[in-house]
Amino acid sequence: SQTIHQWPATLVQPVGSPLSLECTVEGTSNPNLYWYRQAAGRGLQLLFYSIGIDQISSEVPQNLSASRPQDRQFILSSKKLLLSDSGFYLCAWSVQGRANEKLFFGSGTQLSVL
Amino acid sequence: GEDVEQSLFLSVREGDSSVINCTYTDSSSTYLYWYKQEPGAGLQLLTYIFSNMDMKQDQRLTVLLNKKDKHLSLRIADTQTGDSAIYFCAESITGTASKLTFGTGTRLQVTL
Repeated sequence: SQTIHQWPATLVQPVGSPLSLECTVEGTSNPNLYWYRQAAGRGLQLLFYSIGIDQISSEVPQNLSASRPQDRQFILSSKKLLLSDSGFYLCAWSVQGRANEKLFFGSGTQLSVL
Repeated sequence: GEDVEQSLFLSVREGDSSVINCTYTDSSSTYLYWYKQEPGAGLQLLTYIFSNMDMKQDQRLTVLLNKKDKHLSLRIADTQTGDSAIYFCAESITGTASKLTFGTGTRLQVTL
């Protein structure tokens, strides 16, 4: 069966520090991968998605970047965090090529930038 | 662009039915979903409905779609404390996840 791992679960970082969140998927090949952010009291905002290794699409301009060095690994990074980067970050995957794509989410990372 | 609206909060008593509502603006929406998020966790797909359907039932869950009013609802029968969570409505024209628009979520609180 497929599983998705996301870490760390919580993170407190000072403003201006770097960020690296990691997500891996097991039990499937060539998944679509996604990074979402959920700000307090707001819906999910798609940040990045990837259809393959080194193929990343950015949905909104921001202080963050994403990389996919391996088929089932997706990394969210920042060189210098801002206060506004605080939020709940979710990684997700879906099966490529389906007409009705369903998302499978990781357990999330609560990031607090102080 | 697409917009998906939900009320922020709903409180029901255990055993009662819960009805969570969602409205969307894009009449081209083809796929509509309900996701559930338990505290401190990721989202889990509960159910979905195609735009050519009016209703879908899955055990305690009933989804109703009113295409004319662009209104989607999720009814949970015999609500239990384990149903306490945030429920997200989402819609997509193409069915591709990268084009999915989520609502702000409705927090369901189940009281004894």
